Amino acid sequence: SQTIHQWPATLVQPVGSPLSLECTVEGTSNPNLYWYRQAAGRGLQLLFYSVGIGQISSEVPQNLSASRPQDRQFILSSKKLLLSDSGFYLCAWALISGANVLTFGAGSRLTVL
Amino acid sequence: KQEVTQIPAALSVPEGENLVLNCSFTDSAIYNLQWFRQDPGKGLTSLLLIQSSQREQTSGRLNASLDKSSGRSTLYIAASQPGDSATYLCAVLGDSNYQLIWGAGTKLIIKP
Repeated sequence: SQTIHQWPATLVQPVGSPLSLECTVEGTSNPNLYWYRQAAGRGLQLLFYSVGIGQISSEVPQNLSASRPQDRQFILSSKKLLLSDSGFYLCAWALISGANVLTFGAGSRLTVL
Repeated sequence: KQEVTQIPAALSVPEGENLVLNCSFTDSAIYNLQWFRQDPGKGLTSLLLIQSSQREQTSGRLNASLDKSSGRSTLYIAASQPGDSATYLCAVLGDSNYQLIWGAGTKLIIKP
């Protein structure tokens, strides 16, 4: 069966520090991978999606970047965090074909101070 | 551009009631529509997925319907329980890309 792992679960970082959130998927090949952010009291915002290794599409201009160094690994990064980067970050995967069910990781709560 | 709207934003009902959550979308060219549940501070759990060719899906006390022509989906929860309290989100997958467009969610509170 497929599983998705996301870490760290919580993170408190000072403004200006770097960020790295990691997401890995097991039990499937060539998934679509997604990074979402959920700010307090707001809906989900798609940040990045990837349809293959090294292929990253960005949905919104921002202080963050994403990379996909391996088929089932998706990394969200920042060189210098801003206060506005605080939020709940969710990684998700889906297959291109079939039912296209989107499966989410448990999320990473980032607080920038 | 696809837009997804969920009404109401919040709903509080006594335990045992049947209830309906609404989701509307502006572009009927969808591949599928998915309903999710999110508990506070946690990730999302997929509840039901309806392909564009389907009209409804059922899982236990949950029933989701889809009317593409009118751009609407409903999530029906029968015999609500306090454990159903959560935020419910619907998301639409366009038939020409790999992106989900999300509603803002309905926060549901079931009072014991």
